[in-house]
Amino acid sequence: QSALTQPPSASGSPGQSVTISCTGTSSDVGASNYVSWYQQYPGKAPKLMIYEVSKRPSGVPDRFSGSKSGNSASLTVSGLQAEDEADYYCSSYAGSNNLAVFGGGTKLTVL
Amino acid sequence: QVQLVESGGGLVKPGGSLRLSCAASGFTFSDYYMSWIRQSPRRGLEWVSYISTSGNTRYYADSVKGRFTISRDNARKSLFLQMDSLRAEDTAVYYCARALTTGWYRTTGAWGQGTLVTVSS
Repeated sequence: QSALTQPPSASGSPGQSVTISCTGTSSDVGASNYVSWYQQYPGKAPKLMIYEVSKRPSGVPDRFSGSKSGNSASLTVSGLQAEDEADYYCSSYAGSNNLAVFGGGTKLTVL
Repeated sequence: QVQLVESGGGLVKPGGSLRLSCAASGFTFSDYYMSWIRQSPRRGLEWVSYISTSGNTRYYADSVKGRFTISRDNARKSLFLQMDSLRAEDTAVYYCARALTTGWYRTTGAWGQGTLVTVSS
């Protein structure tokens, strides 16, 4: 059982927006500005899409955005494209003794 | 660009040992904290261990503490994970990973392609 809770699936049509939630506790998401989101295609390594709640690494489209409120964080994908179909995982820094906790992943389907 | 290439995975019997290696390139290896993260269908993504730039500070997940040992060789730009007393629940793809920035490890910024470890009799 993963430490952070994500919906197992989400979907949207091309051009639409989809938001994926990630719920933790006051010990991880609620206490951390180091919430990140990863995209993973089948058989591939995860790729960083959002870090420090809402920052985008170089090369990540601005269609991807992140936010946080209390113990929950969210990833929004705007203007959905077929290539966005993948699994998405949230993660939060949880202290030096427990570097990172992860969500169980959300499979995003572009209809 | 950043490259992390793992090796050493395979099939091992319960109670056995395995040593994973990770060859790094494309960045100044000695400037970054490094970690091992694993992924399995049953347990999802799970942080395993991380190590400071000098190797003097090491942390482990409770699930592997006392059985796994992380180490690094900055001269060879390599990261290692010695896995002993392996259990079936250690079966997973193991990723070598790098911190996003220099300094304290807060976010994983780069991942290798992973190496599969299967613990089964």
